[in-house]
Amino acid sequence: DAGVIQSPRHEVTEMGQEVTLRCKPISGHNSLFWYRQTMMRGLELLIYFNNNVPIDDSGMPEDRFSAKMPNASFSTLKIQPSEPRDSAVYFCASSLLGGGNEQFFGPGTRLTVL
Amino acid sequence: KQEVTQIPAALSVPEGENLVLNCSFTDSAIYNLQWFRQDPGKGLTSLLLIQSSQREQTSGRLNASLDKSSGRSTLYIAASQPGDSATYLCAVPHQGGSEKLVFGKGTKLTVNP
Repeated sequence: DAGVIQSPRHEVTEMGQEVTLRCKPISGHNSLFWYRQTMMRGLELLIYFNNNVPIDDSGMPEDRFSAKMPNASFSTLKIQPSEPRDSAVYFCASSLLGGGNEQFFGPGTRLTVL
Repeated sequence: KQEVTQIPAALSVPEGENLVLNCSFTDSAIYNLQWFRQDPGKGLTSLLLIQSSQREQTSGRLNASLDKSSGRSTLYIAASQPGDSATYLCAVPHQGGSEKLVFGKGTKLTVNP
């Protein structure tokens, strides 16, 4: 298996622009997680899905952030409009459904908002 | 609210040394704990997953222990190598067996040849 795939790997955009991050989970995994990592706050869970359904979005910072999972093999995290404080590394992870199962991380998308 | 602390934040050791990384958590009613490794500019790699019924888990030169009652876990690395240089993070469920993980900020390990 290719592991969790994320695109793009790097994104540089200007304040106010829309940004869309993409994730393909490991085939057969039915839980998907979006995280954000910054120096100040470390790694934080933004939202996670079970069987394509959002379960907990309490970590989504504000309404500018939205996430979708239209099918088992694809998810997006969208920021509209983007702001400089959104600059971070965004990770997608997947696992088999259920607590206690290992989460497998993608390589991340490094987002810079100018 | 679950909080995870990792001490020290950074550690530098000579090659060959045995070392221990520490992780503490505030809510001990967890079902498992996971240790990850992160190389610069890369994602996280799962190293060990310890279930609450286990006291320790081993993989090669790595040994992780879990003491729920004290809210602590340690990651022991034997005979360290320069290739072990990375940031090590521990993560526990937000509560119980939740899929929602809370991460420590990590210990940055440097093994000098």
